Amino acid sequence: QKEVEQNSGPLSVPEGAIASLNCTYSDRGSQSFFWYRQYSGKSPELIMFIYSNGDKEDGRFTAQLNKASQYVSLLIRDSQPSDSATYLCAVNNRDTGRRALTFGSGTRLQVQP
Amino acid sequence: NAGVTQTPKFQVLKTGQSMTLQCAQDMNHNSMYWYRQDPGMGLRLIYYSASEGTTDKGEVPNGYNVSRLNKREFSLRLESAAPSQTSVYFCASTGRGLDEQYFGPGTRLTVT
Repeated sequence: QKEVEQNSGPLSVPEGAIASLNCTYSDRGSQSFFWYRQYSGKSPELIMFIYSNGDKEDGRFTAQLNKASQYVSLLIRDSQPSDSATYLCAVNNRDTGRRALTFGSGTRLQVQP
Repeated sequence: NAGVTQTPKFQVLKTGQSMTLQCAQDMNHNSMYWYRQDPGMGLRLIYYSASEGTTDKGEVPNGYNVSRLNKREFSLRLESAAPSQTSVYFCASTGRGLDEQYFGPGTRLTVT
């Protein structure tokens, strides 16, 4: 079992719709959770992070965390064609002493004009 | 601030050749990382440096060596390149007490 799992997609949504991206993780001790956006041929760009159960909103983006279910999601409201990219979920467990993140393989989002 | 910079952007090597990938950050971050990204595999950690003077192996260290030259710079060396090392290499950094990582633009390496 992969440590961080994401559906590879592509997830296709029409412009203006809500895109919902999901991620599950296996390490129950994970403490910090991140969403990165990666355009084709570019480097990952941090768009959201969340540490506590519940929702965290930033503009059109909402991150949702449910530690009991080991599940983190990203909602993108009013999706735009410029949101078309691969979205990477990443988690960290600080108690392991390792500061590195564990990444999922990403979900490709396509927003249709 | 340039953030995290990497050189070169592209490189083609023949099997058995060696090279060093350079990474520098100007954010005064303590921790630095090298990842490789292959299609369908996500980002995999090669080596990391929690602070100046320390380095540790990640998930896929075989065939690589690293040097934390100072707080700003963290280099990745391939001593004898193999076709399996064809990949995109990303350097990242993070500050003290933080977990968020910031990435450089990447080096696209092809080994023939």
